[in-house]
Amino acid sequence: QSVLTQPPSVSAAPGQKVTISCSGSSSNIGNNYVSWYQQLPGTAPKLLIYDNNKRPSGIPDRFSGSKSGTSATLGITGLQTGDEADYYCGTWDASLSAGVFGGGTKLTVL
Amino acid sequence: QVQLQESGPGLVKPSQTLSLTCTVSGGSISSGGYYWSWIRQHPGKGLEWIGYIYYSGSTYYNPSLKSRVTISVDTSKNQFSLKLSSVTAADTAVYYCARDNGGAAADYWGQGTLVTVSS
Repeated sequence: QSVLTQPPSVSAAPGQKVTISCSGSSSNIGNNYVSWYQQLPGTAPKLLIYDNNKRPSGIPDRFSGSKSGTSATLGITGLQTGDEADYYCGTWDASLSAGVFGGGTKLTVL
Repeated sequence: QVQLQESGPGLVKPSQTLSLTCTVSGGSISSGGYYWSWIRQHPGKGLEWIGYIYYSGSTYYNPSLKSRVTISVDTSKNQFSLKLSSVTAADTAVYYCARDNGGAAADYWGQGTLVTVSS
């Protein structure tokens, strides 16, 4: 299983808001920046959030990130059918001296 | 605009060595400031961080793969490479190369290449 824990799936209606959690420990999330990725079917992951809450150029402000202690959260507002994808959190783990990812969360926009 | 492209055999026999190369365009590996990563995704599964290399040659590897993995860089060709030895069917996956800002924050990715381990 993954070092970081995410819910396997979340769902919400178009226009609504959804949050995806990512739980870790002091060796990873607790002391390192968190990134979030969106992976549409059949494509490479795309960076949505880095340094806990920063958005790369071109990422709409409907996507937001936050971190508290050893957990991080991705928020998506104004859900669109095009947001249906798998979402992953990632960070550095100091104990492993390696990058780690969550197991991924499948978002369904009902 | 930075672009990355993986290349290498799509089929590798069990016990052999998987070798992939990532060619970077639109930016120089030797300019520094970034790590150059390999990440894989087993069919229908999540992302697995394999490791990354800095232009100077410093490497970091996933402990679960460390004994079998080598990542190297060729700054003259603006390429970096992955070698994974003694492969089994469990190494069948889509392999991605990516540019990482440090700490698994990869902002540019290749399209990915499927490598199947089978006799």
